[in-house]
Amino acid sequence: NAGVMQNPRHLVRRRGQEARLRCSPVKGHSHVYWYRQLPEEGLKFMVYLQKENIIDESGMPKERFSAEFPKEGPSILRIQQVVRGDSAAYFCASSSTGTGVYQPQHFGDGTRLSIL
Amino acid sequence: DQQVKQNSPSLSVQEGRISILNCDYTNSMFDYFLWYKKYPAEGPTFLISISSIKDKNEDGRFTVFLNKSAKHLSLHIVPSQPGDSAVYFCAASNTGNQFYFGTGTSLTVIP
Repeated sequence: NAGVMQNPRHLVRRRGQEARLRCSPVKGHSHVYWYRQLPEEGLKFMVYLQKENIIDESGMPKERFSAEFPKEGPSILRIQQVVRGDSAAYFCASSSTGTGVYQPQHFGDGTRLSIL
Repeated sequence: DQQVKQNSPSLSVQEGRISILNCDYTNSMFDYFLWYKKYPAEGPTFLISISSIKDKNEDGRFTVFLNKSAKHLSLHIVPSQPGDSAVYFCAASNTGNQFYFGTGTSLTVIP
């Protein structure tokens, strides 16, 4: 399967713990996007990264959330000191091109984060 | 601020008939539009796209129409099949990077 791979599929954390969500893009894709979907809502953009660079993080909460896409390895979305409101489905998408060249984004199956 | 809106949360259609899903947007700078299909517990799957230089794009049973003056796009599925039952999201962008998604329309195709 050469699609976007996200793990874990389900993650349960207690309030105050850290959550780490991983995303391996489609082979050859260097652009990664993270989205959050709250119950009964659409997908909300969080952050756009290229290898080793954050291009657009306008959708990221100012505190507790961070993202990286290192030169080697998957992209990581990290949520520190999780709260109940962080419970959501987090989707990662990748594309082969970025600004100015429109290509659809390919999505992973998401990580369902539940906060106890 | 919801820049892309899907005002119908759900739609039911008989098998073989046409399904029409609607989407409205507020930002006149959007110039690339997409439709995604999503099954439960899976990620969205790209269906079809259209750029603002066109008003129609067709791919098999799926056709997307764009009305720029009305800031409206629609997805037509004909003939509808039971396997088309899913949640459909429209999305729009003006940079090719950040896509704004609607809240989705749940389509049920009745056999």
